[in-house]
Amino acid sequence: GDSVTQMEGPVTLSEEAFLTINCTYTATGYPSLFWYVQYPGEGLQLLLKATKADDKGSNKGFEATYRKETTSFHLEKGSVQVSDSAVYFCYSGAGSYQLTFGKGTKLSVIP
Amino acid sequence: DTAVSQTPKYLVTQMGNDKSIKCEQNLGHDTMYWYKQDSKKFLKIMFSYNNKELIINETVPNRFSPKSPDKAHLNLHINSLELGDSAVYFCASSQVGAEQFFGPGTRLTVL
Repeated sequence: GDSVTQMEGPVTLSEEAFLTINCTYTATGYPSLFWYVQYPGEGLQLLLKATKADDKGSNKGFEATYRKETTSFHLEKGSVQVSDSAVYFCYSGAGSYQLTFGKGTKLSVIP
Repeated sequence: DTAVSQTPKYLVTQMGNDKSIKCEQNLGHDTMYWYKQDSKKFLKIMFSYNNKELIINETVPNRFSPKSPDKAHLNLHINSLELGDSAVYFCASSQVGAEQFFGPGTRLTVL
């Protein structure tokens, strides 16, 4: 079945460091791919998404590119801030009722 | 204007009790979900309803029973609560295959 494998944390970075959180998917079709973010004490909210191969999603300085050849959707940010401290979830939606969340990666950014 | 709302936000109860969590969405979405998030932040799908019909029913104890009186509501009833049921429960809604919108969560503590 469809699945998502996400880099496990926790990840601790200094402010202004470069961030990469890896996410790979397996799917029988071509799912839309999403990154969600969960700030402390809150629910999940959409960070960015890509609906087809080679699409790049971006938001708040974060980017991820849908790469069909490597079945990946890695999340990147060039310079993290303390306010980026949160848990990040990769998510694959297969366009039906299948949906798969990664296990989440906790990011802590220290000043 | 809250898109997906849950009540209550916090629920503390004794083992063996029966409790309900309510969820409402005003986005006009066809599909609603219940997730359980454990202390390690792992997010697990429990149920999904589409137009009031059960679509996904993952392996959860039959003490958990979802009820969807209409497309905008999906409530979760839990019988005979156990210590292991302590978690944060999230409701979400979406159109099929699209972005999910999450509620703020209900933190359930079973004593």
